[in-house]
Amino acid sequence: AQKITQTQPGMFVQEKEAVTLDCTYDTSDPSYGLFWYKQPSSGEMIFLIYQGSYDQQNATEGRYSLNFQKARKSANLVISASQLGDSAMYFCAMREGTFGNEKLTFGTGTRLTIIP
Amino acid sequence: GAVVSQHPSRVICKSGTSVKIECRSLDFQATTMFWYRQFPKQSLMLMATSNEGSKATYEQGVEKDKFLINHASLTLSTLTVTSAHPEDSSFYICSAPRAGGPSTDTQYFGPGTRLTVL
Repeated sequence: AQKITQTQPGMFVQEKEAVTLDCTYDTSDPSYGLFWYKQPSSGEMIFLIYQGSYDQQNATEGRYSLNFQKARKSANLVISASQLGDSAMYFCAMREGTFGNEKLTFGTGTRLTIIP
Repeated sequence: GAVVSQHPSRVICKSGTSVKIECRSLDFQATTMFWYRQFPKQSLMLMATSNEGSKATYEQGVEKDKFLINHASLTLSTLTVTSAHPEDSSFYICSAPRAGGPSTDTQYFGPGTRLTVL
């Protein structure tokens, strides 16, 4: 079974609108971390936001927020006021277990295109 | 700025040759680094975990004799693709966990190396 599922291969969004990128995960470990990375066409992986399984509040970083619904095992990324520079691939990733096991499992990604 | 560097960014080689890719943590020490492989329009697949001072840990299906990993110091890990073949052409990207980020172990990635084997 897929540990990280991203069901949207591609999305087109009008500039300045908000966009939600879906991510669901599967783990039996009570301790885990969820990450979102942005990959522009240059290939670099840019860290965006992190949510720990024990965090009580949803993570926010500037225009990025993570809609964490633990019972549903979903960790959707919300980008507010989208910009042309947001066009990129977006990957959801999970780290299972405690510190010392930093391996990440990635989803298949969502290609986001912002339309002017 | 960048916290993890990779060199070279792009390499083209003939089939049968070996290629070495370096991954450096720039302002922090990394006892562990990770090597990923990404085929076009696909996700990142973990190849191996590089451990400073000990042998690398390879993921299932990854040939350790073909992808040699050496974690020479607390800031440097190298991946050598031995006897490269066209099917080894891919985007190779390393990462290192850095303490002090939003998570205790947020991984920061290098810019990647695009390998083309002719």
